[in-house]
Amino acid sequence: GAGVSQSPSNKVTEKGKDVELRCDPISGHTALYWYRQSLGQGLEFLIYFQGNSAPDKSGLPSDRFSAERTGGSVSTLTIQRTQQEDSAVYLCASSSFISGNTIYFGEGSWLTVV
Amino acid sequence: AQSVTQLDSQVPVFEEAPVELRCNYSSSVSVYLFWYVQYPNQGLQLLLKYLSGSTLVKGINGFEAEFNKSQTSFHLRKPSVHISDTAEYFCAVSKTNSGYALNFGKGTSLLVTP
Repeated sequence: GAGVSQSPSNKVTEKGKDVELRCDPISGHTALYWYRQSLGQGLEFLIYFQGNSAPDKSGLPSDRFSAERTGGSVSTLTIQRTQQEDSAVYLCASSSFISGNTIYFGEGSWLTVV
Repeated sequence: AQSVTQLDSQVPVFEEAPVELRCNYSSSVSVYLFWYVQYPNQGLQLLLKYLSGSTLVKGINGFEAEFNKSQTSFHLRKPSVHISDTAEYFCAVSKTNSGYALNFGKGTSLLVTP
Protein backbone atom coordinates (compact mmCIF):
# COMPACT_ATOMS: atom_id res chain seq x y z
CA GLY A 1 0.00 0.00 0.00
CA ALA A 2 0.92 3.67 -0.13
CA GLY A 3 1.63 3.94 3.57
CA VAL A 4 1.80 1.99 6.80
CA SER A 5 -1.67 0.78 7.67
CA GLN A 6 -2.76 -0.04 11.21
CA SER A 7 -5.93 -1.54 12.60
CA PRO A 8 -7.98 -1.03 14.60
CA SER A 9 -7.57 2.73 14.77
CA ASN A 10 -9.32 2.75 18.14
CA LYS A 11 -9.84 -0.06 20.62
CA VAL A 12 -11.51 0.00 24.02
CA THR A 13 -11.07 -3.15 26.05
CA GLU A 14 -11.74 -4.32 29.55
CA LYS A 15 -8.91 -4.89 31.97
CA GLY A 16 -7.72 -8.47 31.79
CA LYS A 17 -8.73 -9.07 28.18
CA ASP A 18 -6.25 -9.81 25.39
CA VAL A 19 -5.92 -7.48 22.40
CA GLU A 20 -4.32 -7.79 19.01
CA LEU A 21 -3.13 -4.83 16.97
CA ARG A 22 -2.31 -5.25 13.32
CA CYS A 23 0.24 -3.50 11.11
CA ASP A 24 0.57 -3.68 7.36
CA PRO A 25 3.90 -2.07 6.38
CA ILE A 26 4.75 -0.30 3.15
CA SER A 27 5.15 -2.86 0.41
CA GLY A 28 8.76 -3.96 0.04
CA HIS A 29 9.91 -2.58 3.38
CA THR A 30 12.03 -5.15 5.16
CA ALA A 31 12.17 -3.50 8.57
CA LEU A 32 9.14 -3.14 10.83
CA TYR A 33 8.95 -1.42 14.21
CA TRP A 34 6.45 -1.08 17.01
CA TYR A 35 6.47 1.93 19.31
CA ARG A 36 4.22 3.00 22.15
CA GLN A 37 3.26 6.60 22.79
CA SER A 38 1.87 7.38 26.21
CA LEU A 39 0.91 10.75 27.63
CA GLY A 40 4.00 12.29 29.13
CA GLN A 41 6.20 9.33 28.17
CA GLY A 42 7.12 10.21 24.63
CA LEU A 43 7.79 7.45 22.12
CA GLU A 44 8.91 4.15 23.56
CA PHE A 45 10.53 1.52 21.34
CA LEU A 46 8.94 -1.92 21.73
CA ILE A 47 10.18 -4.34 19.08
CA TYR A 48 11.94 -4.37 15.73
CA PHE A 49 11.86 -6.91 12.88
CA GLN A 50 14.45 -6.92 10.09
CA GLY A 51 13.95 -9.42 7.30
CA ASN A 52 14.35 -12.99 8.50
CA SER A 53 16.58 -12.08 11.43
CA ALA A 54 15.52 -12.69 15.02
CA PRO A 55 13.52 -9.69 16.23
CA ASP A 56 14.94 -7.19 18.68
CA LYS A 57 12.52 -7.51 21.60
CA SER A 58 14.52 -5.41 24.00
CA GLY A 59 11.82 -2.76 24.37
CA LEU A 60 8.90 -4.99 25.32
CA PRO A 61 7.84 -3.88 28.81
CA SER A 62 6.70 -7.28 30.09
CA ASP A 63 6.02 -10.85 29.02
CA ARG A 64 2.39 -9.89 28.45
CA PHE A 65 3.57 -8.23 25.25
CA SER A 66 4.51 -10.19 22.15
CA ALA A 67 4.67 -9.61 18.43
CA GLU A 68 5.06 -11.65 15.33
CA ARG A 69 5.60 -10.91 11.69
CA THR A 70 4.26 -13.43 9.23
CA GLY A 71 5.80 -13.85 5.80
CA GLY A 72 8.01 -10.84 6.28
CA SER A 73 5.07 -8.48 5.89
CA VAL A 74 2.09 -8.07 8.23
CA SER A 75 2.78 -7.87 11.94
CA THR A 76 0.55 -8.41 14.96
CA LEU A 77 1.25 -6.99 18.40
CA THR A 78 -0.51 -8.93 21.14
CA ILE A 79 -1.08 -7.69 24.67
CA GLN A 80 -2.33 -10.33 27.07
CA ARG A 81 -4.26 -9.62 30.27
CA THR A 82 -4.36 -5.92 29.56
CA GLN A 83 -3.83 -3.43 32.37
CA GLN A 84 -4.89 0.19 32.57
CA GLU A 85 -1.28 1.30 32.20
CA ASP A 86 -1.27 -0.32 28.76
CA SER A 87 -3.53 2.47 27.53
CA ALA A 88 -1.55 4.30 24.85
CA VAL A 89 -1.18 4.83 21.14
CA TYR A 90 0.65 1.94 19.53
CA LEU A 91 2.55 3.07 16.46
CA CYS A 92 3.87 0.83 13.74
CA ALA A 93 6.56 1.90 11.31
CA SER A 94 8.54 0.44 8.43
CA SER A 95 11.69 1.19 6.49
CA SER A 96 14.05 -0.22 3.89
CA PHE A 97 17.21 0.52 1.94
CA ILE A 98 14.93 1.78 -0.83
CA SER A 99 13.50 4.44 1.47
CA GLY A 100 17.00 5.53 2.45
CA ASN A 101 16.31 3.88 5.78
CA THR A 102 13.81 6.60 6.59
CA ILE A 103 11.25 5.19 9.00
CA TYR A 104 7.64 5.82 7.98
CA PHE A 105 4.93 5.67 10.63
CA GLY A 106 1.33 4.61 10.56
CA GLU A 107 -1.48 6.60 12.16
CA GLY A 108 -1.43 4.41 15.23
CA SER A 109 -3.88 2.28 17.18
CA TRP A 110 -5.38 4.06 20.19
CA LEU A 111 -5.85 1.52 22.97
CA THR A 112 -7.92 2.32 26.04
CA VAL A 113 -8.13 -0.21 28.85
CA VAL A 114 -11.07 0.36 31.18
CA ALA B 1 23.16 3.02 23.43
CA GLN B 2 22.02 6.16 21.74
CA SER B 3 19.81 8.67 23.51
CA VAL B 4 18.25 12.03 22.85
CA THR B 5 17.41 14.91 25.13
CA GLN B 6 14.97 17.56 24.09
CA LEU B 7 15.64 20.40 26.43
CA ASP B 8 12.26 22.11 26.21
CA SER B 9 8.98 20.32 26.78
CA GLN B 10 6.96 23.33 25.62
CA VAL B 11 7.84 26.30 23.45
CA PRO B 12 5.28 29.09 23.06
CA VAL B 13 5.95 31.54 20.25
CA PHE B 14 4.10 34.26 18.39
CA GLU B 15 3.22 33.88 14.75
CA GLU B 16 5.95 35.06 12.34
CA ALA B 17 8.60 34.90 15.06
CA PRO B 18 11.65 32.65 14.70
CA VAL B 19 11.88 29.46 16.70
CA GLU B 20 14.57 27.00 17.75
CA LEU B 21 13.77 23.60 19.23
CA ARG B 22 16.77 22.12 20.97
CA CYS B 23 17.99 18.55 20.73
CA ASN B 24 21.13 16.98 22.15
CA TYR B 25 22.17 13.40 21.63
CA SER B 26 24.49 10.94 23.29
CA SER B 27 26.25 8.15 21.46
CA SER B 28 29.58 6.37 21.36
CA VAL B 29 29.21 5.58 17.66
CA SER B 30 28.29 7.48 14.52
CA VAL B 31 24.61 8.33 14.29
CA TYR B 32 21.85 9.42 12.02
CA LEU B 33 19.59 12.18 13.31
CA PHE B 34 15.97 12.94 12.56
CA TRP B 35 13.20 15.36 13.37
CA TYR B 36 9.61 14.19 13.19
CA VAL B 37 6.45 16.26 13.60
CA GLN B 38 3.13 15.08 14.95
CA TYR B 39 0.13 17.29 14.30
CA PRO B 40 -2.85 16.91 16.64
CA ASN B 41 -4.53 13.54 16.25
CA GLN B 42 -2.21 12.50 13.45
CA GLY B 43 0.73 10.16 12.99
CA LEU B 44 4.40 11.05 12.85
CA GLN B 45 5.76 12.72 9.74
CA LEU B 46 9.43 13.09 8.88
CA LEU B 47 10.55 16.73 8.81
CA LEU B 48 14.19 16.22 7.95
CA LYS B 49 17.14 13.93 8.53
CA TYR B 50 20.90 14.05 8.75
CA LEU B 51 22.72 11.02 7.37
CA SER B 52 26.01 12.48 6.14
CA GLY B 53 27.47 15.37 4.19
CA SER B 54 26.42 18.97 4.77
CA THR B 55 25.71 19.63 8.41
CA LEU B 56 22.88 22.03 7.54
CA VAL B 57 19.84 20.06 6.59
CA LYS B 58 16.72 21.55 5.07
CA GLY B 59 13.37 19.88 5.50
CA ILE B 60 9.74 20.40 4.71
CA ASN B 61 7.63 23.39 5.72
CA GLY B 62 10.63 25.74 5.89
CA PHE B 63 12.36 23.94 8.75
CA GLU B 64 16.08 23.34 8.91
CA ALA B 65 18.48 21.79 11.39
CA GLU B 66 22.20 21.86 11.90
CA PHE B 67 24.26 18.87 12.99
CA ASN B 68 26.98 19.93 15.41
CA LYS B 69 29.21 17.00 16.25
CA SER B 70 31.36 18.82 18.78
CA GLN B 71 28.31 19.93 20.74
CA THR B 72 26.37 16.72 20.00
CA SER B 73 23.38 18.81 19.00
CA PHE B 74 20.81 18.83 16.21
CA HIS B 75 18.66 21.88 16.86
CA LEU B 76 15.64 22.57 14.68
CA ARG B 77 14.97 26.08 13.44
CA LYS B 78 12.45 28.05 11.45
CA PRO B 79 12.85 31.76 10.73
CA SER B 80 9.13 32.57 10.77
CA VAL B 81 6.48 30.26 12.17
CA HIS B 82 2.83 29.92 11.24
CA ILE B 83 -0.17 28.97 13.32
CA SER B 84 -0.23 25.71 11.40
CA ASP B 85 3.20 24.78 12.81
CA THR B 86 1.56 24.10 16.17
CA ALA B 87 2.42 20.48 16.82
CA GLU B 88 4.61 18.09 18.78
CA TYR B 89 8.17 17.79 17.51
CA PHE B 90 10.35 14.77 18.17
CA CYS B 91 14.08 14.48 17.75
CA ALA B 92 15.40 10.96 17.16
CA VAL B 93 18.73 9.18 16.76
CA SER B 94 19.80 5.84 15.34
CA LYS B 95 23.03 4.02 14.65
CA THR B 96 24.37 4.45 11.14
CA ASN B 97 24.03 0.76 10.37
CA SER B 98 20.88 0.29 8.38
CA GLY B 99 17.64 -0.63 9.99
CA TYR B 100 18.40 0.17 13.61
CA ALA B 101 15.47 1.44 15.57
CA LEU B 102 15.13 5.09 16.38
CA ASN B 103 15.47 6.35 19.92
CA PHE B 104 13.22 9.34 20.43
CA GLY B 105 13.33 12.31 22.72
CA LYS B 106 10.28 13.08 24.83
CA GLY B 107 9.10 15.72 22.40
CA THR B 108 8.69 19.48 22.36
CA SER B 109 5.26 20.98 22.08
CA LEU B 110 5.36 24.06 19.86
CA LEU B 111 2.42 26.39 20.36
CA VAL B 112 2.13 29.25 17.89
CA THR B 113 -0.28 32.03 18.77
CA PRO B 114 -1.40 35.13 16.86
